[in-house]
Amino acid sequence: DGGITQSPKYLFRKEGQNVTLSCEQNLNHDAMYWYRQDPGQGLRLIYYSQIVNDFQKGDIAEGYSVSREKKESFPLTVTSAQKNPTAFYLCASSIRVGQYSNQPQHFGDGTRLSIL
Amino acid sequence: GEDVEQSLFLSVREGDSSVINCTYTDSSSTYLYWYKQEPGAGLQLLTYIFSNMDMKQDQRLTVLLNKKDKHLSLRIADTQTGDSAIYFCAENSNTGKLIFGQGTTLQVKP
Repeated sequence: DGGITQSPKYLFRKEGQNVTLSCEQNLNHDAMYWYRQDPGQGLRLIYYSQIVNDFQKGDIAEGYSVSREKKESFPLTVTSAQKNPTAFYLCASSIRVGQYSNQPQHFGDGTRLSIL
Repeated sequence: GEDVEQSLFLSVREGDSSVINCTYTDSSSTYLYWYKQEPGAGLQLLTYIFSNMDMKQDQRLTVLLNKKDKHLSLRIADTQTGDSAIYFCAENSNTGKLIFGQGTTLQVKP
């Protein structure tokens, strides 16, 4: 079945450590996104990529980095510069239609990151 | 700027209808979406409506769009305990990004 796979489901980070969250999709979608969700809040966009080898900062990119070397994969690294990384991280993808319009986004099941 | 607002909580009895409301600000949005999130899970796309439509019905779900007031609603008929979840309204901005509301927690009492 086609879908979006995020791994791991739970992740723990030590102080000063970088960690990488995986996101893989087999939907042949051009666009991929990373969101952060905090309790009682909506989703905030971290980074997004409309095409391979290109990505843009979202609203809260500081302390995070991404790469888009393959269409299927969009890993997110939470760096030690992110001082409050405890959150639920969601990856999404969509078909890209034109420069500024995308089809509905489809989401993975999320990764919950906690600080040790 | 772009903003999407929803009420935070709604409680209904099983079998009643639920209506979840949302207001948005970007009049150039071409799509408006409703997502459902169950505890510990990702977001599931429930339905969406094009901005040139007033209403869309899909089984128990009815979406109403009032473009003049920038108001979107999701009606769930015959609400079941399995409908208990957080519901997010979202609009697509003119840069292709989605802008989400804070989410409405729907509690269904038996």
